[in-house]
Amino acid sequence: DTGVSQDPRHKITKRGQNVTFRCDPISEHNRLYWYRQTLGQGPEFLTYFQNEAQLEKSRLLSDRFSAERPKGSFSTLEIQRTEQGDSAMYLCASSLPLSTSGSGEQFFGPGTRLTVL
Amino acid sequence: AQSVTQLGSHVSVSEGALVLLRCNYSSSVPPYLFWYVQYPNQGLQLLLKYTSAATLVKGINGFEAEFKKSETSFHLTKPSAHMSDAAEYFCAVTLNFGNEKLTFGTGTRLTIIP
Repeated sequence: DTGVSQDPRHKITKRGQNVTFRCDPISEHNRLYWYRQTLGQGPEFLTYFQNEAQLEKSRLLSDRFSAERPKGSFSTLEIQRTEQGDSAMYLCASSLPLSTSGSGEQFFGPGTRLTVL
Repeated sequence: AQSVTQLGSHVSVSEGALVLLRCNYSSSVPPYLFWYVQYPNQGLQLLLKYTSAATLVKGINGFEAEFKKSETSFHLTKPSAHMSDAAEYFCAVTLNFGNEKLTFGTGTRLTIIP
């Protein structure tokens, strides 16, 4: 078990371009979360999956954002027509349901830092 | 809905001194509480968690936190600060139903003075 991994670690793009990030969770975890963290703030919830089903999306997730988790394994987060306001750290976390883990602990990846010029 | 307030966005302590980082929560049901640490350009690492068992929780690196329901607090302490403790610390809350998402505070940056 190598933990949660994210790729790429850094992405610089020009406004209007599309970007895609990947998250590989801990293999036995059926829950996967995406968070966004801007400078000086705590992470904010974007969306989560249980297995392959996307069960909730935050109002922070505009129509330009889409996330998938095919086959309930890795997940991708795509941002279309990026804006400067999308610049942030995008964090992925995985977990077992609280009823299984007993704690609800989420394991975080190293994040993808997006800079939109 | 649940929320977390961290008092003090920046805290400085001398090496060897007591570390106290404050966290107050708001929740309509018994919460599960966490402290995470974040080093520059890295993800979040769990320090400790409260899951309705013992109210005094011990974590990694000598940190501990006490859940006080009457004060709706979950403050993080360490008796003696070390230079390696310099980082950003986040308090987070979740509920034991639904999406179980974490709701984070705005974080406290801890600086250690040599």
